[in-house]
Amino acid sequence: DTEVTQTPKHLVMGMTNKKSLKCEQHMGHRAMYWYKQKAKKPPELMFVYSYEKLSINESVPSRFSPECPNSSLLNLHLHALQPEDSALYLCASSQELAVAVAQYFGPGTRLTVL
Amino acid sequence: GENVEQHPSTLSVQEGDSAVIKCTYSDSASNYFPWYKQELGKRPQLIIDIRSNVGEKKDQRIAVTLNKTAKHFSLHITETQPEDSAVYFCAASRTSGTYKYIFGTGTRLKVLA
Repeated sequence: DTEVTQTPKHLVMGMTNKKSLKCEQHMGHRAMYWYKQKAKKPPELMFVYSYEKLSINESVPSRFSPECPNSSLLNLHLHALQPEDSALYLCASSQELAVAVAQYFGPGTRLTVL
Repeated sequence: GENVEQHPSTLSVQEGDSAVIKCTYSDSASNYFPWYKQELGKRPQLIIDIRSNVGEKKDQRIAVTLNKTAKHFSLHITETQPEDSAVYFCAASRTSGTYKYIFGTGTRLKVLA
């Protein structure tokens, strides 16, 4: 299996809702990433997990809460989001964190915050 | 802070012509340079990458060149086809010290049939 999968594909939520994004990979990768991508912009790194431990948090607001339950799964819990948080949320994985290798992206979750 | 400049932001070429996209990075510790293609509504997909110990790499119609001294690298697509139309992102990554994986601003390539 050489794919990263993400659910749901689309999500519409109100500012008071709590929702979660899910990401899964079965490539044996030990580094997993969350990115946020606005239209016509490059992906913007949010969080990095290495061996199921949070390694990097790029000063992301606490309304975004990542979780790595095991080496194949990555979640992003959302609470009290703002309309400006509407974006495509991409998950990615790579073999290791501090190694010069490619990241493999999932198809993304398109999030709309009303 | 470190950044990656990418030019041009848009590029239109006739089918069969070549396309060249250039990126310049500022972090001299960068040692890995991937290129991603993102079609509309789709995920970024790696198309080619190069490590700092190599000056050039080719894969069929796609090639990447790296000039470490000048801190720039380029993507070359020959014999372009309509299906090459997409947004292309370069990235520069370092694997020593503080981890960095910085994307360029993107180039929208249109191949005209």
